[in-house]
Amino acid sequence: EDQVTQSPEALRLQEGESSSLNCSYTVSGLRGLFWYRQDPGKGPEFLFTLYSAGEEKEKERLKATLTKKESFLHITAPKPEDSATYLCAVNTGGFKTIFGAGTRLFVKA
Amino acid sequence: NAGVMQNPRHLVRRRGQEARLRCSPMKGHSHVYWYRQLPEEGLKFMVYLQKENIIDESGMPKERFSAEFPKEGPSILRIQQVVRGDSAAYFCASSPPGAQGYEQYFGPGTRLTVT
Repeated sequence: EDQVTQSPEALRLQEGESSSLNCSYTVSGLRGLFWYRQDPGKGPEFLFTLYSAGEEKEKERLKATLTKKESFLHITAPKPEDSATYLCAVNTGGFKTIFGAGTRLFVKA
Repeated sequence: NAGVMQNPRHLVRRRGQEARLRCSPMKGHSHVYWYRQLPEEGLKFMVYLQKENIIDESGMPKERFSAEFPKEGPSILRIQQVVRGDSAAYFCASSPPGAQGYEQYFGPGTRLTVT
């Protein structure tokens, strides 16, 4: 069964303390891996799509990387406004996208 | 360019009543997805629709739940005879033609509370 696992469940950082969030997946065939940001009470906001191992995407303080088994979302020098839940999702070629449970990030000033 | 719109944002229903959730996709998008999110859980796929067609409803409960995306108007997720376990946030997402299964753009969600 296709599965997406995110770790840690929650991460508390000081402002400026860089770290990484992990998304590991076991799927029959990866067509795309997606990262989303979700703020409380809001819908997920699309961040990145990665298609093949070795690919990297960057946006401001965020950088997403992909290997054959996992993806990392690196956060460099985070700010309090980066606090949110980060969701990882995969598509295996059909219409269904499978989401992980998310990592809740808290950045303290 | 308006994003995905959902209404109502909050909906309270008593057990046994019907809930109707509406979703208008982004302009130019012809694919609509519905997801359910329970507290502290991830998004669970429910159904994928194109105009006038249900393409994949493998995530929909077999009873009481239905979805449609008519030629004109918004997509509607209907829950009949609601029970307390239906309380959740329901999100709609859309994607452009030719990009089904790829990045999706989400609405703000409808929070359903069943009392």
